[in-house]
Amino acid sequence: AQSVTQPDIHITVSEGASLELRCNYSYGATPYLFWYVQSPGQGLQLLLKYFSGDTLVQGIKGFEAELKRSQSSFNLRKPSVHWSDAAEYFCAVEPNNDYKLSFGAGTTVTVRA
Amino acid sequence: DVKVTQSSRYLVKRTGEKVFLECVQDMDHENMFWYRQDPGLGLRLIYFSYDVKMKEKGDIPEGYSVSREKKERFSLILESASTNQTSMYLCASKQGDGELFFGEGSRLTVL
Repeated sequence: AQSVTQPDIHITVSEGASLELRCNYSYGATPYLFWYVQSPGQGLQLLLKYFSGDTLVQGIKGFEAELKRSQSSFNLRKPSVHWSDAAEYFCAVEPNNDYKLSFGAGTTVTVRA
Repeated sequence: DVKVTQSSRYLVKRTGEKVFLECVQDMDHENMFWYRQDPGLGLRLIYFSYDVKMKEKGDIPEGYSVSREKKERFSLILESASTNQTSMYLCASKQGDGELFFGEGSRLTVL
């Protein structure tokens, strides 16, 4: 069955430390891939997206993600987190030729001082 | 600035009531979506529409219906609200393969 999985429900990281959020997908062909962030009380905002080409994708707010087809993963990374990065992060996939996005369950990031 | 507006941020309804959630986008997007967001489950697609008067079921359409009479407006209808429909409802729109833009959400409580 087609699915998108975020294995980590909650991650706590110290301010200034690096962050990596995992996302795995199960689709026949590599779908379009997205990462969204939802700050407390806010709507979802797009961080970055992959459609084709370079498998290392740069996004806003200093985030990047790397597609690894052999592992069916699209992990999100940030080298040094800020307190404002505390939020819920969602990985999403859009199968080719299908305008619907399917979302993972989300990972909540807590940043400690 | 692009905008998806959901008319109600917070609603409290009683079991059996009919509930309307309204969503308007100002980007002339063809595609509009309704998701519900629940802790630990992420976002699940209820219905979507790819054109005026067109609609398709998502992953969890039971207990819901939708209406799209105008391109900019997509309404979610709960014909007879139940307590298990207490949730955050998110409207979104996009054009083709473009970015999905979200509204701020409508938090519905059914008592």
